[in-house]
Amino acid sequence: DAGVIQSPRHEVTEMGQEVTLRCKPISGHNSLFWYRQTMMRGLELLIYFNNNVPIDDSGMPEDRFSAKMPNASFSTLKIQPSEPRDSAVYFCASSLSARVYEQYFGPGTRLTVT
Amino acid sequence: KNEVEQSPQNLTAQEGEFITINCSYSVGISALHWLQQHPGGGIVSLFMLSSGKKKHGRLIATINIQEKHSSLHITASHPRDSAVYICAVRYQGAQKLVFGQGTRLTINP
Repeated sequence: DAGVIQSPRHEVTEMGQEVTLRCKPISGHNSLFWYRQTMMRGLELLIYFNNNVPIDDSGMPEDRFSAKMPNASFSTLKIQPSEPRDSAVYFCASSLSARVYEQYFGPGTRLTVT
Repeated sequence: KNEVEQSPQNLTAQEGEFITINCSYSVGISALHWLQQHPGGGIVSLFMLSSGKKKHGRLIATINIQEKHSSLHITASHPRDSAVYICAVRYQGAQKLVFGQGTRLTINP
């Protein structure tokens, strides 16, 4: 298996632009997680899905952030409009089950908003 | 105050030394994870444990549920072990992970 796939790996955009990050989980995994990592705050959970349904989005910073999982093999995290403080590395992870199994992380997307 | 505390924040050692990284948490958990993040940024899950001890190669993870404490040990450390090691817990009844701030380990040759 190719593991968790994220695209793009790097994104540089100007403030106010829409940004879309993409994730393909490991085939057969039922849970998908979006994380953000910054120097100041470390790793933080933004949102996670079980069987394509959002379960906990309490970590989503504000209405500018939205996430979707239209099917078991694809998820997006969208920021509109983007701001410089959104600059971070965004990781997607998947697991067989959120409660029981370990999580497998994607390589991350490094986002820079100027 | 972070709910998951790691110590030390930074650790520098010589090749071959025995390494210990500690993680403390505040309330009951269902599982604790140790993750490794290399300078390139990728994150790898090392261990998931809920009791006792697990060993994989030169890495050993232990957890004491009563004391709410876990340790990650590296025996015969090597420069390639240089990375950030992150502890994360899943609280009882919850599904999401709460992360520590990480321990940056540097092993000098």
